Amino acid sequence: ILNVEQSPQSLHVQEGDSTNFTCSFPSSNFYALHWYRWETAKSPEALFVMTLNGDEKKKGRISATLNTKEGYSYLYIKGSQPEDSATYLCASRHSGGNTPLVFGKGTRLSVIA
Amino acid sequence: SAVISQKPSRDICQRGTSLTIQCQVDSQVTMMFWYRQQPGQSLTLIATANQGSEATYESGFVIDKFPISRPNLTFSTLTVSNMSPEDSSIYLCSVEEAGVAKNIQYFGAGTRLSVL
Repeated sequence: ILNVEQSPQSLHVQEGDSTNFTCSFPSSNFYALHWYRWETAKSPEALFVMTLNGDEKKKGRISATLNTKEGYSYLYIKGSQPEDSATYLCASRHSGGNTPLVFGKGTRLSVIA
Repeated sequence: SAVISQKPSRDICQRGTSLTIQCQVDSQVTMMFWYRQQPGQSLTLIATANQGSEATYESGFVIDKFPISRPNLTFSTLTVSNMSPEDSSIYLCSVEEAGVAKNIQYFGAGTRLSVL
């Protein structure tokens, strides 16, 4: 059974602070790593999909890196804003594109104005 | 990206009753999924809804408890049967566009179910 771990479980930061979270996943048979942002009462929103070791993706103030050899990904938020408050989910896929995504429990971010 | 409408958005149900959740997509999609997130837990795949055939259930989930229909490529339902308080969760449907943008999944806004 695949296990995806996210840390920290929750995080409170001041507006303007930069922050980062971690997603750990099994390195064997790795296929892809997904990051989602999930605001309360809304649909989870896809942020990034990464597949190659060393991949770096950026979307505005949010960026992510991928290390497939050691099995981790970092999500960075620069200059946090209250609208960044959400739960950030990572999910990994292994052994090919037709296998299910396995999600972590998420990191709940609260940005205090 | 696909737009997914899911309803109801929330419900409070009595023990022993059943609830059917609907998921409508604005385009035809091959892959459609149902997930559950229990309090404090990960988003967990219940089953893959297959058009024209029985759903494919993940370990720990059975058809009698979570019957699924998929009459066409844009619509699916999930029924939570004979509910107990342990079924209190967020239920989400999602779709995947295989071969496009590295298999991104798009989600509905979820159904927040409380069972008394």
